[in-house]
Amino acid sequence: ILNVEQSPQSLHVQEGDSTNFTCSFPSSNFYALHWYRWETAKSPEALFVMTLNGDEKKKGRISATLNTKEGYSYLYIKGSQPEDSATYLCAAPNTDKLIFGTGTRLQVFP
Amino acid sequence: KAGVTQTPRYLIKTRGQQVTLSCSPISGHRSVSWYQQTPGQGLQFLFEYFSETQRNKGNFPGRFSGRQFSNSRSEMNVSTLELGDSALYLCASSRNRGSAQETQYFGPGTRLLVL
Repeated sequence: ILNVEQSPQSLHVQEGDSTNFTCSFPSSNFYALHWYRWETAKSPEALFVMTLNGDEKKKGRISATLNTKEGYSYLYIKGSQPEDSATYLCAAPNTDKLIFGTGTRLQVFP
Repeated sequence: KAGVTQTPRYLIKTRGQQVTLSCSPISGHRSVSWYQQTPGQGLQFLFEYFSETQRNKGNFPGRFSGRQFSNSRSEMNVSTLELGDSALYLCASSRNRGSAQETQYFGPGTRLLVL
């Protein structure tokens, strides 16, 4: 059974701080890694789909890196803003089913 | 382009009843997946439908079922509701089948409370 783990479980930062969190997944039979942002009372929103080892993707102040050999991905947020407050989910496919981690809940205080 | 829509948004049922939830995917999307989220748990995969056929199923009892119509709209049904079925149910659509490399677009969810 594929296990996707995220750390930390929650994070509180001040506005302007940069932060990062981790998604770990089995490195064998790697196919893709998804990142989603889920704001309270909204739908989860896709951030990135990453497939290549060493891949780095960027969307505004958010970026992600991927290491498929060791089975981890980092999500970075530069200069956090209150509107970045959300739960960040990663997910990896297992026989075409997406297996989600439990998420990192980020709160950015003004 | 309209996003994924789910109805109803909130639902209260009692144990033993059954419930049907509906999901309309983004126009042109043919794959619909369903997920359950309970407190402390990540999103748990229920099933995926593509071209009116169930393509994948998660580890849920047979009380959970679904179907997809020719217009790609999907419904999921839970029979003989239990208290533990109280959860947020999300559906997600993608253009093609399989979730491996396709971005999934999520609806707002249906929050089900079983009393």
